[in-house]
Amino acid sequence: EAGVAQSPRYKIIEKRQSVAFWCNPISGHATLYWYQQILGQGPKLLIQFQNNGVVDDSQLPKDRFSAERLKGVDSTLKIQPAKLEDSAVYLCASSRGGQGLRPYGYTFGSGTRLTVV
Amino acid sequence: RKEVEQDPGPFNVPEGATVAFNCTYSNSASQSFFWYRQDCRKEPKLLMSVYSSGNEDGRFTAQLNRASQYISLLIRDSKLSDSATYLCAVKRTGNQFYFGTGTSLTVIP
Repeated sequence: EAGVAQSPRYKIIEKRQSVAFWCNPISGHATLYWYQQILGQGPKLLIQFQNNGVVDDSQLPKDRFSAERLKGVDSTLKIQPAKLEDSAVYLCASSRGGQGLRPYGYTFGSGTRLTVV
Repeated sequence: RKEVEQDPGPFNVPEGATVAFNCTYSNSASQSFFWYRQDCRKEPKLLMSVYSSGNEDGRFTAQLNRASQYISLLIRDSKLSDSATYLCAVKRTGNQFYFGTGTSLTVIP
């Protein structure tokens, strides 16, 4: 089974510039998550999609961050304009979803490391 | 209040030692619980799920206390290769996953 694909792997931008990250989940995974992981901290959930609908975006800074998942497959996360404190690894994860105890194949991509200078 | 809280450590232990990590969660509606391992500059990977009755996988034992809302991970006979950050995670209804800040473990020769 192919894993969660993310690109780019690394990105360096100046503050106030824009940046976009792309995620291709595992085939058939209905649920997609974007996390922000700042150095030394755990992953912080930014947004969760179920198919192409948003389930939870309560921690997404909507004044500068946006995300979409057209057609319920690939997703993009955008930051516009970027701030220094946005420097972090942006992780995408997907799962088959459903209720119950199992994480249902919950898998992370290898992340995009963003540095804002 | 954070969904999930962990002691960030670091824990520095000699090879062969036993080490335990605790994690507390704030939402009593949390459904299921997990421990993830994250190596430096890598993504988190599932170590084990945590079941109500407690469960063991080799040298790793996970426990859940719903009344006190905490989960624990015990590592026996620590190996150098166990050095990593250990993240606890909780899943709520709607498949929302929340992670703790992680506990750093270094096993020393």
